[in-house]
Amino acid sequence: EAQVTQNPRYLITVTGKKLTVTCSQNMNHEYMSWYRQDPGLGLRQIYYSMNVEVTDKGDVPEGYKVSRKEKRNFPLILESPSPNQTSLYFCASSPIEKNIQYFGAGTRLSVL
Amino acid sequence: AQSVTQLGSHVSVSEGALVLLRCNYSSSVPPYLFWYVQYPNQGLQLLLKYTSAATLVKGINGFEAEFKKSETSFHLTKPSAHMSDAAEYFCAVSKQGAQKLVFGQGTRLTINP
Repeated sequence: EAQVTQNPRYLITVTGKKLTVTCSQNMNHEYMSWYRQDPGLGLRQIYYSMNVEVTDKGDVPEGYKVSRKEKRNFPLILESPSPNQTSLYFCASSPIEKNIQYFGAGTRLSVL
Repeated sequence: AQSVTQLGSHVSVSEGALVLLRCNYSSSVPPYLFWYVQYPNQGLQLLLKYTSAATLVKGINGFEAEFKKSETSFHLTKPSAHMSDAAEYFCAVSKQGAQKLVFGQGTRLTINP
């Protein structure tokens, strides 16, 4: 089944403790992206990647890192999480030739 | 810069009534426009998209949207609401050929029995 898989689905952590949210897609898509969803703000793009080893900042990149060493994986790294990073995070992927993004089920992160 | 405004963060309709969710966009170039739906505890699913072909776009689950360039609008409609339509709906815009999506704030649709 074609899908975007995020792990974990739920995570509670404390300020300053490094964490990684994984994202994997099995559709051979070139484009991958991370968004955060906050009430009243819709989805805002954090980082995106056009292909392996090609990443760039979105609209709200502060406090986040990403890497794209393999085509299928696009992990989101929070080196030192803070409470303002408490949010619902979505990973998405898309083939370059079609502007249709496929979303994962989301990761709900709480930073205490 | 592109932007999207969804009018009404909450919309409530009765089962069987017309659903109308409003979306206005701003774009300096011809846009691609999208509606996504998010059911509780799930990711976003594409309902429909406009890519400069027909101005009336039909999507899944009986939804459709009409692109009106003069009004810079892309409102989503469904003639008869069903309880299963209760969800949050997001309008989004991108430039033609570009992957970056800019989302509106979302509209939560509630269906009353």
